[in-house]
Amino acid sequence: SQQGEEDPQALSIQEGENATMNCSYKTSINNLQWYRQNSGRGLVHLILIRSNEREKHSGRLRVTLDTSKKSSSLLITASRAADTASYFCAPLRGGFKTIFGAGTRLFVKA
Amino acid sequence: EPEVTQTPSHQVTQMGQEVILRCVPISNHLYFYWYRQILGQKVEFLVSFYNNEISEKSEIFDDQFSVERPDGSNFTLKIRSTKLEDSAMYFCASSPPLAGVDEQYFGPGTRLTVT
Repeated sequence: SQQGEEDPQALSIQEGENATMNCSYKTSINNLQWYRQNSGRGLVHLILIRSNEREKHSGRLRVTLDTSKKSSSLLITASRAADTASYFCAPLRGGFKTIFGAGTRLFVKA
Repeated sequence: EPEVTQTPSHQVTQMGQEVILRCVPISNHLYFYWYRQILGQKVEFLVSFYNNEISEKSEIFDDQFSVERPDGSNFTLKIRSTKLEDSAMYFCASSPPLAGVDEQYFGPGTRLTVT
């Protein structure tokens, strides 16, 4: 198990702009998941990218993974006010637990 | 799409009382977890459960906590004698066979308020 570190800690953008969040981790992984958490609510699974994938898309989300740099990015295109939330990455390599970082708090202004 | 469900969504209890938080993992999943999040803080791992036994637990998961899979569908977290500091969101998660923690799907959480 290992922890992902999200960057930036906070991001404020206008509706319609793109939002990019980054994740770095320290050792090799099998998969990496991104989650969203609205204030006071549950963790919503957004996307899982495997270590042999470089890019994955889901609707307005685009995730990249660079295992050589031990980093991942989450791009939200054409952001909406409803995208306002905290975003977490979870690098995964076996074991029995996920260690969460502090996340990136995204605020999309209408 | 199958989801992890949790009940109740909000539980209020008095200090010293026992609470049981319930989770229904995704039906073919074999690995089960509990996490908690104190307001304004990170999500913290509590315990993982596989093959009817605890696989790993954190320092938070002391003797006041226990987990059980009483039947083929439910997964419960019991707190024997709640303290004020147990107030938090509690999340259940599950993983499919062969994936272990490499894929994890979370429920919506139970907000526990201890007064």
